[in-house]
Amino acid sequence: KAGVTQTPRYLIKTRGQQVTLSCSPISGHRSVSWYQQTPGQGLQFLFEYFSETQRNKGNFPGRFSGRQFSNSRSEMNVSTLELGDSALYLCASSSRGQGRNGYTFGSGTRLTVV
Amino acid sequence: AQKITQTQPGMFVQEKEAVTLDCTYDTSDQSYGLFWYKQPSSGEMIFLIYQGSYDEQNATEGRYSLNFQKARKSANLVISASQLGDSAMYFCAMRENTGNQFYFGTGTSLTVIP
Repeated sequence: KAGVTQTPRYLIKTRGQQVTLSCSPISGHRSVSWYQQTPGQGLQFLFEYFSETQRNKGNFPGRFSGRQFSNSRSEMNVSTLELGDSALYLCASSSRGQGRNGYTFGSGTRLTVV
Repeated sequence: AQKITQTQPGMFVQEKEAVTLDCTYDTSDQSYGLFWYKQPSSGEMIFLIYQGSYDEQNATEGRYSLNFQKARKSANLVISASQLGDSAMYFCAMRENTGNQFYFGTGTSLTVIP
């Protein structure tokens, strides 16, 4: 079966712009969560969606937002980009959001802000 | 306090030998899951092994085993018969039953020497 698909793989944006990243989960998975990975801060939780509802949100400013569609695909948006937003953004999908089942990560979107 | 601590930033191992990657965790939950992921330079997080807090036996998945010591709150990953393809970053992670996010450690960079 197809894995978690994140698009685009690479992105270069200018400070002040906004960006939208997409994550298509494994078919049948209803939970999608997002993580930011930077060399300085490591992997940090952004938010999780389950059946179009945000269940949990990490400690990020309001510039970071997300949503989930009825087909479970998820998008995250970052407005007014800052240099510090340069990172690898990973999403993970899960069938239930609990236990070992189905925590599959995508290959990530590498965002560079210049 | 850090939820997940990985104290080995970098490790070297000779091909075909075994290596142990350390991980300690901190939680007050009784129910939680511990995970190990491998991240090659491509960025994708690859699931390796899972241990539930109520599992009495140590988890094993092929060449990977998890040395789970609940009283010490440690969940070390053992890779047997190392291969050159094992060179990557390895992350220990925890998911508490009360939450909807992974807590990741800072990772250990493993290099397998021919």
